Amino acid sequence: DQQVKQNSPSLSVQEGRISILNCDYTNSMFDYFLWYKKYPAEGPTFLISISSIKDKNEDGRFTVFLNKSAKHLSLHIVPSQPGDSAVYFCAASKTRDSNYQLIWGAGTKLIIKP
Amino acid sequence: DTGVSQDPRHKITKRGQNVTFRCDPISEHNRLYWYRQTLGQGPEFLTYFQNEAQLEKSRLLSDRFSAERPKGSFSTLEIQRTEQGDSAMYLCASSSTSGRRHEQFFGPGTRLTVL
Repeated sequence: DQQVKQNSPSLSVQEGRISILNCDYTNSMFDYFLWYKKYPAEGPTFLISISSIKDKNEDGRFTVFLNKSAKHLSLHIVPSQPGDSAVYFCAASKTRDSNYQLIWGAGTKLIIKP
Repeated sequence: DTGVSQDPRHKITKRGQNVTFRCDPISEHNRLYWYRQTLGQGPEFLTYFQNEAQLEKSRLLSDRFSAERPKGSFSTLEIQRTEQGDSAMYLCASSSTSGRRHEQFFGPGTRLTVL
């Protein structure tokens, strides 16, 4: 049972335009969500996060939106740059789980075209 | 460099051999995690330490797998009698119990290939 789903395996966006990556989850107990970026041959790098008490969090070019009723979150990157080409993972955790274990989606490969 | 480090970065072994991987977390982090990632998938949780105590193990962690974190510093993950299905990227992450507790910082991973 996949609790965190990223239904788009890949996404191609023109440089300078907006990239929107989507993530859905099924477990209503998740209360914290994170986005990680991964380059080949490297470990995931933390990008941005959001608590379930918020519906938006912004950090520079990156904004994460959370829609709890739809159990959906999205990552917006504006403007997209060539260095943003990577695999993006959505992850979720439950504060009530004292181990803060992360449950991951399968990732979306973002390709920024020059 | 004060990030998470893992050694070796790559390991090729023959089926049936034992392998051991090492992870050095960020020094002030007392939580340490091991994950496994296969192609086209997100990382899957294997096990978790708080300080030297191993507090949780996934059902993915068969009895051929063992992890330790002596003295709450570095950690080792050993796989005995490796099988071809063990081929994967093994990721280590660490986090703090204070502040932004949900955020985990990852090492570069150890890529295991079992022939």
